[in-house]
Amino acid sequence: NAGVTQTPKFRILKIGQSMTLQCTQDMNHNYMYWYRQDPGMGLKLIYYSVGAGITDKGEVPNGYNVSRSTTEDFPLRLELAAPSQTSVYFCASSYSSPRQGRNTGELFFGEGSRLTVL
Amino acid sequence: GDSVTQMEGPVTLSEEAFLTINCTYTATGYPSLFWYVQYPGEGLQLLLKATKADDKGSNKGFEATYRKETTSFHLEKGSVQVSDSAVYFCALRAGGYQKVTFGTGTKLQVIP
Repeated sequence: NAGVTQTPKFRILKIGQSMTLQCTQDMNHNYMYWYRQDPGMGLKLIYYSVGAGITDKGEVPNGYNVSRSTTEDFPLRLELAAPSQTSVYFCASSYSSPRQGRNTGELFFGEGSRLTVL
Repeated sequence: GDSVTQMEGPVTLSEEAFLTINCTYTATGYPSLFWYVQYPGEGLQLLLKATKADDKGSNKGFEATYRKETTSFHLEKGSVQVSDSAVYFCALRAGGYQKVTFGTGTKLQVIP
């Protein structure tokens, strides 16, 4: 199984440029997330989605946008890139059973996308 | 709001030494608790979890016990190996919410 796949793995942007980080999962998970990881800061939640057509802000959403048109895909859009967005970005997914009303708790992560804004 | 506090790293140990990485949390209700591990150049992967008080999660020789009275979930291993060198994250998921809150991570380096 491919699991969670992110592209690109590395990217250098100039200030003001825009780009989209792609994320796709093949596990039929209903929940998907975007985190950023900064040195010594742990992971901060940017946006998350509980299903196709539904997205919500996390802790640090400013400067980013997301969409969830399908269960599989959850792209993260950076508009007008800034040096403060230099980070490693992780996409993750998880499954929640409607019958149980809660999920297993386990997040499945992609390998990360290292973005540098100069 | 929910938060997770981990001991600062890096932690450097000799092979076969005993490992403890402290983790305490603040959350409403009864959270589920997790330890994730990140090997160099990779994403995070679940190491172990506990969903209610006094539960013990275990995997690959690592253990952690959910202590509600001390709001802690310390990670332990009796004898570490060089291959255990990684960054370890404590995390929680509170109530019915799907958001997971992570600690800042603790880097472990095991030397032969």
